[in-house]
Amino acid sequence: GAGVSQSPSNKVTEKGKDVELRCDPISGHTALYWYRQRLGQGLEFLIYFQGNSAPDKSGLPSDRFSAERTGESVSTLTIQRTQQEDSAVYLCASSLEGGSGSTDTQYFGPGTRLTVL
Amino acid sequence: GNSVTQMEGPVTLSEEAFLTINCTYTATGYPSLFWYVQYPGEGLQLLLKATKADDKGSNKGFEATYRKETTSFHLEKGSVQVSDSAVYFCALLTSGSRLTFGEGTQLTVNP
Repeated sequence: GAGVSQSPSNKVTEKGKDVELRCDPISGHTALYWYRQRLGQGLEFLIYFQGNSAPDKSGLPSDRFSAERTGESVSTLTIQRTQQEDSAVYLCASSLEGGSGSTDTQYFGPGTRLTVL
Repeated sequence: GNSVTQMEGPVTLSEEAFLTINCTYTATGYPSLFWYVQYPGEGLQLLLKATKADDKGSNKGFEATYRKETTSFHLEKGSVQVSDSAVYFCALLTSGSRLTFGEGTQLTVNP
């Protein structure tokens, strides 16, 4: 009965380094989402996976950001050449189905707090 | 495009006070509406939702009614407790699966 898990919980990195953030969705959930929460702000959508494909990646802020999902399970969000403005909490969510017309509840993980020095 | 506007915070209340957090939205189509809550040190949790006009979502004493005519989904609770202190986010979901969130409202309830 595990929920969505994310690792690491905290990541401190130097400007210019690459980072990888991991998300393990709820077992059996086909839809997976990444969001970003900057300090004092609401959540911004980044990318959505249906299975292993990403029909909506329009929220990725630049080409330094990429994500993949394998085996309809784990997803990795990669940020290359990190910048200070990338500092935020990165949240992952999953839902049973997702897709057009779906109102499935999205269940969120605890997030990864990224700090870029 | 889609957007959600929440009342500005922070909100500070005494225990047993009445709570309203306003939320209005702009959306194409017919969105589903949600309130999520983030307790201190915890992840985002679904509080309640409504999927069509005039639906009322409710949970833990909180209620919100989907008002299409005023494009609103205000959160209410008749008597808040200290344990309700958290950040509350209004959100909408349209076809395509992305949630659009408001900026969040910090609620502090004092004993």
